[in-house]
Amino acid sequence: QVQLAESGGGVVQPGGSLRLSCAASGFTFSSYAMHWVRQAPGKGLEWLTITWYHGNSEYYAASVKGRFFISRDNSQNKIYLQMNSLRVDDTAIYYCARDRAAASGTIEYWGQGILVSVSS
Amino acid sequence: SYVVTQPPSVSVAPGKTATISCGGHNIGSKDVHWHQQRPGQAPRLVIYSDTDRPSGIPDRFSGSNSGNTATLTISSVEVGDEAAYYCHVWDSTSDHPGVFGGGTELTVL
Repeated sequence: QVQLAESGGGVVQPGGSLRLSCAASGFTFSSYAMHWVRQAPGKGLEWLTITWYHGNSEYYAASVKGRFFISRDNSQNKIYLQMNSLRVDDTAIYYCARDRAAASGTIEYWGQGILVSVSS
Repeated sequence: SYVVTQPPSVSVAPGKTATISCGGHNIGSKDVHWHQQRPGQAPRLVIYSDTDRPSGIPDRFSGSNSGNTATLTISSVEVGDEAAYYCHVWDSTSDHPGVFGGGTELTVL
């Protein structure tokens, strides 16, 4: 079955950087687009970014474009989210999610999420 | 950026039908997906591409999308359906293609 496991979360100071990882298993990783989505405490879901199956195309939400960067390693079945210039309002649970296809934009499966806390 | 609007809350009695709307300019021309999130859990896809159900989702869940409103309909509502529901709109023509609605809390009275 599809499994997605996020790691790399924790506490970071404002202005700092953090890299999240997501290890995928249970499917042919290189055939699917992958997303990152976040949820601030007590708030709704916010879509952040997608990488196409081949890793040659990615799109971002306007709120994180230029600060956050998605990448993938199809040989390791992992995606990453590099987060720079972190702000207090970036505090959230960050979810890794799998698309239904190579590049459809449909989130089909979700990881359990990992907490990132930006605080001094 | 594209703006998507959902009602904050909807209440329904068990066995009745709940409808949750997702509004946006010309949303009927975009792909809309719906996710259910129970408290303390990760979200789960319940409707994709406006009207399709993933395997394992009961046929009590249905969707539609036309004009400026997409709708999630849950018939014969059960206590276990109590959750937050989020629409996710995908606009493949945009540089920022993905956006979630603010979510709707479904309360089963």
